[in-house]
Amino acid sequence: GQQVMQIPQYQHVQEGEDFTTYCNSSTTLSNIQWYKQRPGGHPVFLIQLVKSGEVKKQKRLTFQFGEAKKNSSLHITATQTTDVGTYFCAGHNYGQNFVFGPGTRLSVLP
Amino acid sequence: DGGITQSPKYLFRKEGQNVTLSCEQNLNHDAMYWYRQDPGQGLRLIYYSQIVNDFQKGDIAEGYSVSREKKESFPLTVTSAQKNPTAFYLCASSFTGTGVVEAFFGQGTRLTVV
Repeated sequence: GQQVMQIPQYQHVQEGEDFTTYCNSSTTLSNIQWYKQRPGGHPVFLIQLVKSGEVKKQKRLTFQFGEAKKNSSLHITATQTTDVGTYFCAGHNYGQNFVFGPGTRLSVLP
Repeated sequence: DGGITQSPKYLFRKEGQNVTLSCEQNLNHDAMYWYRQDPGQGLRLIYYSQIVNDFQKGDIAEGYSVSREKKESFPLTVTSAQKNPTAFYLCASSFTGTGVVEAFFGQGTRLTVV
């Protein structure tokens, strides 16, 4: 079945440093989504990427979808303590379930 | 307010007992999902349902059962056959069309076997 992998598993950064997490699917996707889960909370939707090579920005967050629609990345510029949490990518094909990656846990040292 | 509600937030179960976790949504979503999350781990799919009276097994369905008698409700039963049920259980729902198909999550239920 479809598998979604993420690297790194953990990332510790100093506040103000940049952070990137990478997501790879074993199969081509209709879309890829990113979610953030704060410690003790539940995953919250951040964004959906649909088009090959698509790049979207949300303030300090930049999301990319690969040309082959199998990989994606999330980049955070100048991290803040509010960015702490686990970032999940989820591969999705319309009409099917979401396949979540294992997540990248980000800690930000003040 | 529209949303997805899980109850209870915390649940304690004795070994050998079945327990049912509630999940209700008023978002008019067709699809509903159950995930299990262990400490420091990702989300593993237990069951999902795309339509009323139909559901499919996910990756770790053994020891769990579900029903989907109403569009709004997708309860999960953790049976005594589940050998290691202590975990954080998350229910989610979504539309099934094209366009932005966002998964909305409930607050989760933390199940502990005592």
